[in-house]
Amino acid sequence: AQSVSQHNHHVILSEAASLELGCNYSYGGTVNLFWYVQYPGQHLQLLLKYFSGDPLVKGIKGFEAEFIKSKFSFNLRKPSVQWSDTAEYFCAGTLSGGSYIPTFGRGTSLIVHP
Amino acid sequence: NAGVTQTPKFRVLKTGQSMTLLCAQDMNHEYMYWYRQDPGMGLRLIHYSVGEGTTAKGEVPDGYNVSRLKKQNFLLGLESAAPSQTSVYFCASSYSGRAEAFFGQGTRLTVV
Repeated sequence: AQSVSQHNHHVILSEAASLELGCNYSYGGTVNLFWYVQYPGQHLQLLLKYFSGDPLVKGIKGFEAEFIKSKFSFNLRKPSVQWSDTAEYFCAGTLSGGSYIPTFGRGTSLIVHP
Repeated sequence: NAGVTQTPKFRVLKTGQSMTLLCAQDMNHEYMYWYRQDPGMGLRLIHYSVGEGTTAKGEVPDGYNVSRLKKQNFLLGLESAAPSQTSVYFCASSYSGRAEAFFGQGTRLTVV
């Protein structure tokens, strides 16, 4: 079965630190990849998405992600985090082998200390 | 611009009771989904629909039923609630299976 996995379940950083959250998917076919963010008490919102083309994708709030096909990875990065980035982050993929139904990773809880 | 609306937002049920969660979207999306979110488990797909009148099982369908009689609505039913169904339920919709999903605000359900 197709799957999306996130390596880091809990990350704690100080403001201005750099962030990288790992995401891998298991399928080698056509993929569309997403990062969503869930702020405390809120619903999921899209941060960025990759469909095709430039593997370096820029999203909102200074986030970016790089699609590396050879590594089946789609890691999320931000050069300098802020306290307001405290949230849960979900990687998701819609995979051709999974009938393009979104599959989510287990999420990474990020806490940023001021 | 409502997007995806879920009702109710909170509910407490007794074991064995039934209820229906309503999801409505005003974006004319074909695809709709029901997920449950539990600590450390991420989002797990319960059921989904790829168009009006169609439904399919997701990863954790047991104990739930769904209906998509109208394109804009996707109902999730619990026939006989169990404490294991205590969770936060999210509805989402998308234009197609490859497009980004738009989420509702969630329903926090507690079964006692």
